[in-house]
Amino acid sequence: NAGVTQTPKFQVLKTGQSMTLQCAQDMNHEYMSWYRQDPGMGLRLIHYSVGAGITDQGEVPNGYNVSRSTTEDFPLRLLSAAPSQTSVYFCASSYSGRRAGELFFGEGSRLTVL
Amino acid sequence: EDQVTQSPEALRLQEGESSSLNCSYTVSGLRGLFWYRQDPGKGPEFLFTLYSAGEEKEKERLKATLTKKESFLHITAPKPEDSATYLCAVPRMYSGGGADGLTFGKGTHLIIQP
Repeated sequence: NAGVTQTPKFQVLKTGQSMTLQCAQDMNHEYMSWYRQDPGMGLRLIHYSVGAGITDQGEVPNGYNVSRSTTEDFPLRLLSAAPSQTSVYFCASSYSGRRAGELFFGEGSRLTVL
Repeated sequence: EDQVTQSPEALRLQEGESSSLNCSYTVSGLRGLFWYRQDPGKGPEFLFTLYSAGEEKEKERLKATLTKKESFLHITAPKPEDSATYLCAVPRMYSGGGADGLTFGKGTHLIIQP
């Protein structure tokens, strides 16, 4: 099992550019989510999904879009990158029910916006 | 709004020197508390789930405990490989177990010196 796979691991963008961070899991987890991690701020939830076709906003959703067309994939789209979106992004997945908080994280995608 | 506060922010111990990390939370109802370990450049790794005051979980040199307002992560006779950032988290909103994501504390950066 690969677990949760994120690509790319590193990316540099210019302000205004768009891009997609990819996330795939092979554990047949229903729940998937995206967090960003910034120094002094901790991990903050961007968007999450409780199943294919269902997504919802987290704590800091502005500037990001998600979709969940399959159980395995949960891409995060940056519509028009801003320097404030410079961060490390983590995708996570989990089982449903009482184990929903037992997250399996990917290795992270480090994004720099110039 | 749920808040999670971890202390201390950083802790340096000698190998074999036991200590405890604190996670205090303000929630309207206890719906689970989660501990994670994060190594530099990696995604967080799930350690424990606690649901009830008085509950304890153990894994090697780590033991997590829970009261009505805080949780402790006790580290007994630590080794250098226990060096990491330890994060605690609670479910964000209304669903039990974290179905709509987690609110994370900022973490305790633990260094174990040989």
